[in-house]
Amino acid sequence: KAGVTQTPRYLIKTRGQQVTLSCSPISGHRSVSWYQQTPGQGLQFLFEYFSETQRNKGNFPGRFSGRQFSNSRSEMNVSTLELGDSALYLCASSLGGRIHNEQFFGPGTRLTVL
Amino acid sequence: KNEVEQSPQNLTAQEGEFITINCSYSVGISALHWLQQHPGGGIVSLFMLSSGKKKHGRLIATINIQEKHSSLHITASHPRDSAVYICAVNNNNDMRFGAGTRLTVKP
Repeated sequence: KAGVTQTPRYLIKTRGQQVTLSCSPISGHRSVSWYQQTPGQGLQFLFEYFSETQRNKGNFPGRFSGRQFSNSRSEMNVSTLELGDSALYLCASSLGGRIHNEQFFGPGTRLTVL
Repeated sequence: KNEVEQSPQNLTAQEGEFITINCSYSVGISALHWLQQHPGGGIVSLFMLSSGKKKHGRLIATINIQEKHSSLHITASHPRDSAVYICAVNNNNDMRFGAGTRLTVKP
């Protein structure tokens, strides 16, 4: 079974631009969660999608949004990029939701904002 | 004060040594996770537990709900165990992470 894939793996953007990141979960997994990792703040939970609905959201501004498609693939969008958005963005999929199920992480997308 | 505290921050061991990494949390949780992150960023979920003890090969994770404390043990450590180990807790609908413990196992 193929693992979680994320595209692109690396991305460079400038302040004010917007970016869309993609995550394809393991086949059959209905939950996709997104995380941001920075040297200063460590790992932080962004949001979780389950069956095309946002189930939970972390403490991030509205510039961070996401969606999930009927095939469980998920996208994350960041608008009006700031320098502080430079980070490793990880997604993880699970069968029935991250609260009670093991999560499988993708390799991440490293975003650099100049 | 962080809601999830890990200790130590850095740990260097000789191959074969027994390793313990600790995690204390201050919030109510429904589950606790131990994650392993290798250089380059890939994360692997090692354990998810809400009570007692779990064992996978040379790795053992325990949790004491009353004391709000969990430990990750590695027996017969090996250089390939070198990684950052992260403790994370499910708190209501949020997930909180520790800062991680960087483990280096020398041959």
